Amino acid sequence: DIQMTQSPSSLSASVGDRVTITCRASQSIAGYLNWYQQKPGKAPNLLIYAASSLQSGVPSRFSGSGSGTDFTLTISSLQPEDFATYYCQQSNNRPYSFGQGTKLEIK
Amino acid sequence: VQLVESGGGLVQPGGSLTLSCAASGFIVTRNYMTWVRQAPGKGLEWVSIIYSGGSTYFADSVKGRFTISRHNAKNTMFLQMNNLRVEDTAVYYCARVGSATLAFDVWGQGTTVTVSS
Repeated sequence: DIQMTQSPSSLSASVGDRVTITCRASQSIAGYLNWYQQKPGKAPNLLIYAASSLQSGVPSRFSGSGSGTDFTLTISSLQPEDFATYYCQQSNNRPYSFGQGTKLEIK
Repeated sequence: VQLVESGGGLVQPGGSLTLSCAASGFIVTRNYMTWVRQAPGKGLEWVSIIYSGGSTYFADSVKGRFTISRHNAKNTMFLQMNNLRVEDTAVYYCARVGSATLAFDVWGQGTTVTVSS
């Protein structure tokens, strides 16, 4: 099974900051990497698919990059509504594993 | 486009429960559909998938105990859960899976399953 490791596990930042979250796969997953945002008590929401494609309706301040085993999610200028938990997920091989999550908190 | 789960509740260890996921705005049988769960205070765990052709796959943690299926006329997907364990306690989400990207692009609101004596 493919293990997904996110870093950091938690992050404090301020409105307007540029933030980067990294995700590493235990083996190559080509570009089959997706990013989700989850707010407390809510279902996850797809932000980025196929490593770098922005899901319809998602603000352009979110971007993704990477291939193979190393990927990043960048938020160019944090907004108040961006404070949430972020998960990466590989869809290259079953089981479609998730990272452990990165909790983004207000500084 | 919407998914609505139902069927969660409190069940004793060893018991059974069936979750439903009703879709609107798209046809369940023409899409890949999946279940994901989240234990209290924990991260997301993929549980099962059913492809448009009907093939099904499960996480090792539920294999042999859970069954995934769908009903064409009701436009609904199901997760039949047998021999439930305390560690199956979680919020269960259903989601649609993009056939090209395999990203989970539409999610339900979740239904809570509690396994406890």
